Amino acid sequence: DAGVIQSPRHEVTEMGQEVTLRCKPISGHDYLFWYRQTMMRGLELLIYFNNNVPIDDSGMPEDRFSAKMPNASFSTLKIQPSEPRDSAVYFCASSGTSADNEQFFGPGTRLTVL
Amino acid sequence: GENVEQHPSTLSVQEGDSAVIKCTYSDSASNYFPWYKQELGKGPQLIIDIRSNVGEKKDQRIAVTLNKTAKHFSLHITETQPEDSAVYFCAASMGNQGGKLIFGQGTELSVKP
Repeated sequence: DAGVIQSPRHEVTEMGQEVTLRCKPISGHDYLFWYRQTMMRGLELLIYFNNNVPIDDSGMPEDRFSAKMPNASFSTLKIQPSEPRDSAVYFCASSGTSADNEQFFGPGTRLTVL
Repeated sequence: GENVEQHPSTLSVQEGDSAVIKCTYSDSASNYFPWYKQELGKGPQLIIDIRSNVGEKKDQRIAVTLNKTAKHFSLHITETQPEDSAVYFCAASMGNQGGKLIFGQGTELSVKP
C-alpha cells in the first residue's frame, strides 16, 4: 500500500485566495483525520470523519475552513479566503475499523499564505 | 476537555545514553496513550502505545510506563542512536471519542555521536 497520499506537497498562495488540500486515505480505513501543525500551537486536530461522515469538527478554526469526504478514498480541506495566519503544515491521517487504532499520517502539505 | 502536557521541549543526549520524555494528562477517562516520532519533513509515525489496563510496555529499546493515579506516562529510549534524533509526541484519547487524539507539544530529541 502506498500509505496516505496528500497533494499538493507545497502550496504558496496569496491572501484572499482559495486553497484546496487533498487526501487519499489507506484503502479499508474507516477513519480520516485532518491536522494542522505550527510551531506555536503544535499538532491540532481540525476535523475527523468516520465512514465518510464528519464526527467532530470542533477544531476547525472558523467558517473559512471546510472539509468534505465524498467517498471512502478521497477528502478535501478547503480554506476560503486564505489568510497569512493559515500558514502551516496540514496533515491527513487515516486509521482502521475501530477507535484507538494506529493513525497513519501522510507526508503533509506545507501551506504558505503571503 | 483533555489537555496533554509534555516535557522537556528539547533533550540532548550522547549516543548510548538513555532518554526519558514525560507527559501528563488531565482527563481520567482517557484510556489510550500512543507515542509518535516525527522526522524532518515527514508525518508523525507511531512507535509504541499503551492502554490504561497496562502499566508498562516494552519494544526493544523503547518502553512506555503509565501511572493512572498520577495521570502521567513516560517514554524511555535506551542505548540511543543518532537515528533516534527526531521530534517525539505523546497523545491521549478516550475510547468513546472515535480515536480522537490530543497531542502534547512535542520533544525535540538530539542524539550526539
